[in-house]
Amino acid sequence: KAGVTQTPRYLIKTRGQQVTLSCSPISGHRSVSWYQQTPGQGLQFLFEYFSETQRNKGNFPGRFSGRQFSNSRSEMNVSTLELGDSALYLCASTFGVNTEAFFGQGTRLTVV
Amino acid sequence: QKEVEQNSGPLSVPEGAIASLNCTYSDRGSQSFFWYRQYSGKSPELIMSIYSNGDKEDGRFTAQLNKASQYVSLLIRDSQPSDSATYLCAVKKSTGFQKLVFGTGTRLLVSP
Repeated sequence: KAGVTQTPRYLIKTRGQQVTLSCSPISGHRSVSWYQQTPGQGLQFLFEYFSETQRNKGNFPGRFSGRQFSNSRSEMNVSTLELGDSALYLCASTFGVNTEAFFGQGTRLTVV
Repeated sequence: QKEVEQNSGPLSVPEGAIASLNCTYSDRGSQSFFWYRQYSGKSPELIMSIYSNGDKEDGRFTAQLNKASQYVSLLIRDSQPSDSATYLCAVKKSTGFQKLVFGTGTRLLVSP
């Protein structure tokens, strides 16, 4: 069974640009969550999607957005990039409500 | 007070010893608890989940949960140098669907 796939693995963007990250969950998993990991703040919850609906959102500015498609694949978008957005962005896939979350390999975003 | 607290370490143990990692959480209604292992530059890997009070064993790993004390621990028996990593405690809150709240992680160093 394939795991969670995130693309691209690495990105370098310039301040002010926008970026789109992609996540394909484990087959059969309908919930996709996104997290940001930085050395200073650790792992922070961004948002969660289930059946194409955002069910929960973390405390991040509106520049961070996402969506989920009918095949459960999800994308997240960051507009007007800031230096502080440099981080490892992780996608987690979950089957049910109180079940385990499995992470993809992440996308390392560097904003210069 | 942080929602999930861990000692950042490093926790140093000799090869073959038992490593004990601890985590406390603030939301008394939390239902699900997880331990992730994260190697430097990699994404978190789920190693244990626990949902009810008591112990849960899986190979060399034992997770312990005490909801009354709001305390979760992970014991690693016969520690190996390959266990050297950061161990993240994650808690799924009683509300918030799939949102995981992470501790900052404990860095474990196992010396040969």
